[in-house]
Amino acid sequence: EPEVTQTPSHQVTQMGQEVILRCVPISNHLYFYWYRQILGQKVEFLVSFYNNEISEKSEIFDDQFSVERPDGSNFTLKIRSTKLEDSAMYFCASSVGGVSNQPQHFGDGTRLSIL
Amino acid sequence: AQSVAQPEDQVNVAEGNPLTVKCTYSVSGNPYLFWYVQYPNRGLQFLLKYITGDNLVKGSYGFEAEFNKSQTSFHLKKPSALVSDSALYFCAVSPPSGGSYIPTFGRGTSLIVHP
Repeated sequence: EPEVTQTPSHQVTQMGQEVILRCVPISNHLYFYWYRQILGQKVEFLVSFYNNEISEKSEIFDDQFSVERPDGSNFTLKIRSTKLEDSAMYFCASSVGGVSNQPQHFGDGTRLSIL
Repeated sequence: AQSVAQPEDQVNVAEGNPLTVKCTYSVSGNPYLFWYVQYPNRGLQFLLKYITGDNLVKGSYGFEAEFNKSQTSFHLKKPSALVSDSALYFCAVSPPSGGSYIPTFGRGTSLIVHP
């Protein structure tokens, strides 16, 4: 069964540095998402992406964050000037369609640790 | 705005006994409801969804969920629990078509199945 893959599995970065988290969505999926899960807390939506542009974003997704689909397969999340509170698991997801009744397929996540 | 409540942080059940993980929701109109499971160090995996029709929905790994509109609930059930079912379970709700299609996740319920 095709999977969403994320790299790296664990990223350790000094506060103030920039990080790029990478994702390869399922190949025939058209909608892509990033979520964040702070340890022990719920899954929080960050942003959705379709047709090379952001479809929706949450209040969390401020100017510090950006997303890009640089080629036909990768989908990246960039976090500029990282803060301690950015430490979390970051999950990429994709879905075939963008309507509400489509399940999302998640990667195994990148654990981001800001020191 | 839509919301999801999972009233129990943790559910403990003996192997072979039936299990229930509770979820209630709030959304305008008819909801789309989902259950996801998260195993340690893995991303969320889709279990089942309710879109319309039969209130009892069957999903992966022998799980099922019952949609109750009057009680605005979508409890996850399994007739006979396995130790391997131990994981974190998330309920999610999406609004009906039109406007945002981003699901809102509950805080998660840790299911522990004892041998």
